[in-house]
Amino acid sequence: QVQLQQSGAELAKPGTSVKLSCKASGYTFTSYYIYWVKQRPGQGLEWIGYIYPGNGGTYYSEKFKGKATFTADTSSSTAYMLLGSLTPEDSAYYFCARLPGSRGAYWGQGTLVTVSS
Amino acid sequence: DIQMTQSPSFLSASVGDRVTLSCKASQNINKYLAWYQQKLGEAPKLLIYNANSLQTGIPSRFSGSGSGTDFTLTISSLQPEDVATYFCLQHNSWYTFGAGTKLELK
Repeated sequence: QVQLQQSGAELAKPGTSVKLSCKASGYTFTSYYIYWVKQRPGQGLEWIGYIYPGNGGTYYSEKFKGKATFTADTSSSTAYMLLGSLTPEDSAYYFCARLPGSRGAYWGQGTLVTVSS
Repeated sequence: DIQMTQSPSFLSASVGDRVTLSCKASQNINKYLAWYQQKLGEAPKLLIYNANSLQTGIPSRFSGSGSGTDFTLTISSLQPEDVATYFCLQHNSWYTFGAGTKLELK
């Protein structure tokens, strides 16, 4: 069955970077976009962007340009998101998802990033 | 950008109640509307896609309706396990979530 398994919680210092992973299984990794979403505790959901592992193409929401960088390793069916120049405002849950608007929607379990000195 | 407005923001209801949640789009999104349920500490869970299609495995007490700009999620008989926050999601043009409706038991 389709699964998206995300990496564990991260505790990072301001100004540093973290790299989150989303390992896909149960489907052809290169055939579907992987989307990334941010959710601050108790808040709504924000779209960060997506990567298409088939050709490495990416799209970033305006707010996250320069903050997030997506990559994908097709050999391990894993998508990555690098978050740089961390500030306390980056403390949040980050989810990866496939086909979020359709019957084929699948989500990772989320990764909690805490930015604190 | 398409804006999604959900109402109410908070709703308190009793077990067995019929509950109706609203989602309005700032422009026509046809039927490209999904509803999600999110419980504390969990990923969002798809309930409804294409405005009125029930996702596999979701109880039939959940239903969706609407098209264009006005959409509704209905829970026909509220159960304790339905306590959660509900989000609508448009995917007619990129993706936009609504701010959510937090549903609590009275």
